[in-house]
Amino acid sequence: AQSVTQLGSHVSVSEGALVLLRCNYSSSVPPYLFWYVQYPNQGLQLLLKYTTGATLVKGINGFEAEFKKSETSFHLTKPSAHMSDAAEYFCAVSEKGGATNKLIFGTGTLLAVQP
Amino acid sequence: KAGVTQTPRYLIKTRGQQVTLSCSPISGHRSVSWYQQTPGQGLQFLFEYFSETQRNKGNFPGRFSGRQFSNSRSEMNVSTLELGDSALYLCASSSAGGRLETQYFGPGTRLLVL
Repeated sequence: AQSVTQLGSHVSVSEGALVLLRCNYSSSVPPYLFWYVQYPNQGLQLLLKYTTGATLVKGINGFEAEFKKSETSFHLTKPSAHMSDAAEYFCAVSEKGGATNKLIFGTGTLLAVQP
Repeated sequence: KAGVTQTPRYLIKTRGQQVTLSCSPISGHRSVSWYQQTPGQGLQFLFEYFSETQRNKGNFPGRFSGRQFSNSRSEMNVSTLELGDSALYLCASSSAGGRLETQYFGPGTRLLVL
C-alpha cells in the first residue's frame, strides 16, 4: 500500500532562514507526489507536484522539492522563509491504479516563522 | 474562473441528525472528490465522483454517502451523526480525474456535532 511519512509535526524557523520540510513515501509503482499548503480556515492549495521528468520541481512562492528515488524522499525547501509562509504543509502521493485521483496524505507539518 | 465553492461553510448539528454538504466544482471540471480532515486522523479520502458515477470510495461507514449531478455539482450526506463526525470536510475538483491531474480544493465545510 502506498503511504507518506512527514517527519516533524512542528517546524520553527527564523524569518530569512532555510525552510526544509521532510517527506518520505512508500510506493510499489512510480509515484506521483504533491505538496499542498493550508492556511488557517482555508482549503488546500497546491504548491508543486512531481509526475515524471525533471526531479527538481519548482513551485509557487519560491518553494521547490527534489524527488530522490534512491531515498524515497520528496523534501520541500525554500531558501529564505517569510512570515507569510507560516501554515500547515501536506505531502501527498496519488494512489496507483485505474483512473482514480485519490490522494494519500501525510500527517502534515505546521511551519512557524519567527521574526 | 471561479474556484471550488462549498456550502455551508459552518454547520452545527446534534447527534443522530443528518447533514448534507454541497460542493460546486470549477467550471468544466467533471471529477469531484471529498476528504475529511480531523486533528486525530488527518486528511482521509471519502469518495470520488466522475460524470455522476462513484469511481472510488474510502474506508468510511455507510452513513457517509454522496452523489453528483449532471452539472458536476456534488453533495455528500452523513446520516445518524456521531460526535466523531466533527471535522472539516473538503471538496476537490479536477478536469477529468486521474493520477496526473491537479486537484483544486474548496475552503471546506466545518461540521460540529454536539
